[in-house]
Amino acid sequence: EVQLVESGGGLVQPGRSLKLSCAASGFTFSNYYMAWVRQAPKKGLEWVATISTSGSRTYYPDSVKGRFTISRDNAKSSLYLQMNSLKSEDTATYYCARRAYYDGYYPYWGQGVMVTVSS
Amino acid sequence: IQLTQSPSLLSASVGDRVTLSCKGSQNINNYLAWYQQKLGEAPKLLIYNTNSLQTGIPSRFSGSGSGTDYTLTISSLQPEDVATYFCYQYNNGLTFGSGTKLEIK
Repeated sequence: EVQLVESGGGLVQPGRSLKLSCAASGFTFSNYYMAWVRQAPKKGLEWVATISTSGSRTYYPDSVKGRFTISRDNAKSSLYLQMNSLKSEDTATYYCARRAYYDGYYPYWGQGVMVTVSS
Repeated sequence: IQLTQSPSLLSASVGDRVTLSCKGSQNINNYLAWYQQKLGEAPKLLIYNTNSLQTGIPSRFSGSGSGTDYTLTISSLQPEDVATYFCYQYNNGLTFGSGTKLEIK
């Protein structure tokens, strides 16, 4: 059974940093692209970052480019999101998601972790 | 690519046939998926590649469309279908629609 478990969320002040982790199990982690998707309170879904199987290619929307860094450790079956220079608008639930093998949709999601950026 | 979902709120009766719309600002080339999100839960994939039903999803859910216009249909609405539904395109970048909240009348 595919399982994705996020951790590392919490309350952080604007301008500070936070690192999220996602522990994956139930599949061969190194074979799949992975992503982070976030959802602000009572809002829609926003793609945050995607990483290739080896970690050599990463993709971001303009809203987080230069502030967020996605990475992975295939030996540990773990995905990470380093978030720097956090802003109030980064307040959201952050989901870790596993992509389909061939196409760009995401069948598997974690339960999410809350990040609150506030002074 | 921007996605516009309509309506934003839909109220229907149990047993009704329900249709949700998703329109792209550009051709999506059928790289369109639908997610269901219940309150307090992670999104669940229902449909991918416009009309392929994800494993384990009831057959009352179906998808159709082409070009810029796509539709999610629930053939007979059930109480457990109360949720917000998001469309998602992966043809050019990755974007989600703003969602349709589905309620029981």
